[in-house]
Amino acid sequence: GAGVSQSPSNKVTEKGKDVELRCDPISGHTALYWYRQSLGQGLEFLIYFQGNSAPDKSGLPSDRFSAERTGGSVSTLTIQRTQQEDSAVYLCASSSRGGGANVLTFGAGSRLTVL
Amino acid sequence: GDSVTQMEGPVTLSEEAFLTINCTYTATGYPSLFWYVQYPGEGLQLLLKATKADDKGSNKGFEATYRKETTSFHLEKGSVQVSDSAVYFCALIPSGSARQLTFGSGTQLTVLP
Repeated sequence: GAGVSQSPSNKVTEKGKDVELRCDPISGHTALYWYRQSLGQGLEFLIYFQGNSAPDKSGLPSDRFSAERTGGSVSTLTIQRTQQEDSAVYLCASSSRGGGANVLTFGAGSRLTVL
Repeated sequence: GDSVTQMEGPVTLSEEAFLTINCTYTATGYPSLFWYVQYPGEGLQLLLKATKADDKGSNKGFEATYRKETTSFHLEKGSVQVSDSAVYFCALIPSGSARQLTFGSGTQLTVLP
């Protein structure tokens, strides 16, 4: 597609429920990133996929968070047993290659509210 | 570890005022430096970048110079417009890295007519 597409744009859930957030990167981009933007905070790195390499999961805050990328394209971020502190905007980005001075293209984000 | 420190906001200016948003970084070697902008309701967009010392990135009237001696990458614009109202993020990627951007906390800019 023309840009990075994320869905849903807004999600309200109850504490303890599982949620799935989807990211559809730019076609042909091999690198895909997930970030979390909490109110009044900067962007917190979560996970990074590059081609067929093992993902860099070093930013995932707990084992309730997981992500996968199927077929080197679409990615799903799953949060199990959601907590109120999980409320944030979850941003996905892709680039043609990982790292260096390559430009990341971001999606508009998925705003998660945990009640 | 690598980090980026940005001037705290919010910043409120009148149209045509001069803008400076300070950014300093901590990193080994020579990281690549970026400014991203997030307009209301939109995703982050690259505003400008610099990949080596003394480089100047520029776009849409914004400029930032990579200063190795002061580890800074301050964003400037000579005359802001209402349409510049957004959140601005300074970021870096370490040299030789195939890893992720490290972002500052963002600075909210509001320009009043």
